[in-house]
Amino acid sequence: KQEVTQIPAALSVPEGENLVLNCSFTDSAIYNLQWFRQDPGKGLTSLLLIQSSQREQTSGRLNASLDKSSGRSTLYIAASQPGDSATYLCAVRITQGGSEKLVFGKGTKLTVNP
Amino acid sequence: GAGVSQSPSNKVTEKGKDVELRCDPISGHTALYWYRQSLGQGLEFLIYFQGNSAPDKSGLPSDRFSAERTGGSVSTLTIQRTQQEDSAVYLCASSLRTSQHRELFFGEGSRLTVL
Repeated sequence: KQEVTQIPAALSVPEGENLVLNCSFTDSAIYNLQWFRQDPGKGLTSLLLIQSSQREQTSGRLNASLDKSSGRSTLYIAASQPGDSATYLCAVRITQGGSEKLVFGKGTKLTVNP
Repeated sequence: GAGVSQSPSNKVTEKGKDVELRCDPISGHTALYWYRQSLGQGLEFLIYFQGNSAPDKSGLPSDRFSAERTGGSVSTLTIQRTQQEDSAVYLCASSLRTSQHRELFFGEGSRLTVL
């Protein structure tokens, strides 16, 4: 059974700091990996998607890497801002027979202090 | 539509009542998913639709939960005889299965409170 773990569960940093969020998964047979952001009381916003054949994806100040063989992904946030405060969720897409689904970690709650 | 739309955004009901939650996926998206997010918990998979069929219902927690999808578009999640433990945010997501990326897009969720 695929399990996704995110460390740390919570992180508080001063504005301007570069930071790394970690995600690990137990089964390397994934189709892709997606990072999301969730603001309080809101739905999930997709940040980056990495295909299983890719090593990294970048969008603005965000960079996500994937090492499928070791079951790890990291989300790097450069020059953090208070507006980056949110919960960040990692999810892997798995296929089983005719089904597909995302398996989520429990998230890292990030607070960026002004 | 421009995004995934869910209604109602908030629902308060009494224990034992039935509730219906609605999801309008992004136009043209053939895959649709329901997830549940309880306080302090991660996202729990409930059901996956491809078109109108549901090849994976494995996440539905009990036979009080059911879902259908009509016309390959709108989906309804029904919870019968609600219990307090059903209180959660129910999230719907859709994706274009024919897309290589199959990126998932979520709605804002329906917050259910069972008194």
